Amino acid sequence: NAGVTQTPKFQVLKTGQSMTLQCAQDMNHNSMYWYRQDPGMGLRLIYYSASEGTTDKGEVPNGYNVSRLNKREFSLRLESAAPSQTSVYFCASSERDRAPLDGYTFGSGTRLTVV
Amino acid sequence: GENVEQHPSTLSVQEGDSAVIKCTYSDSASNYFPWYKQELGKRPQLIIDIRSNVGEKKDQRIAVTLNKTAKHFSLHITETQPEDSAVYFCAASRSPGGSYIPTFGRGTSLIVHP
Repeated sequence: NAGVTQTPKFQVLKTGQSMTLQCAQDMNHNSMYWYRQDPGMGLRLIYYSASEGTTDKGEVPNGYNVSRLNKREFSLRLESAAPSQTSVYFCASSERDRAPLDGYTFGSGTRLTVV
Repeated sequence: GENVEQHPSTLSVQEGDSAVIKCTYSDSASNYFPWYKQELGKRPQLIIDIRSNVGEKKDQRIAVTLNKTAKHFSLHITETQPEDSAVYFCAASRSPGGSYIPTFGRGTSLIVHP
């Protein structure tokens, strides 16, 4: 049981380049999320998908797009990377319609550096 | 929207001492309060949670208390050990029949000195 799998683990981009962060979960969870983590800022929600076929903006969506490809997969795309997007990105999943029995399950994170 | 404040940002204790981390929230409709532990370079992992219908929950050396009237909740770690050193995040959320979107505190870096 892999839980939530994120790829890649590390990435360096040049300003203006694009890339997609991949996330997949095998727990049959309905809801999936993308967070970024910056020092002293905690975890800030970028986008989420409450269920397959829906996506919504979180607290810091500018510069990002998402795709809920199917129930398992939720990708995050940076169309034109900026140094301000240097961060650690976490994907997470949870059940819907009730407080999950086990909270969020997080992926292992992607450390992104934009130079 | 929900606003979660977490204090202190850094907490340094001696091994064997107790540690307390406090969070306040603003949305009186919040009803689920999880705590996550994140070790250096690792993913956050749920360590304990509490729902609004109880005031306290314990799991071995850790406990969480909730005061809904005052809108604050706390994490208590007793007999701290060096392996408790990590960043701890609180969160608050509500489930209005749909999505579960917690708001996280900014984290507390706990350092346990041997």
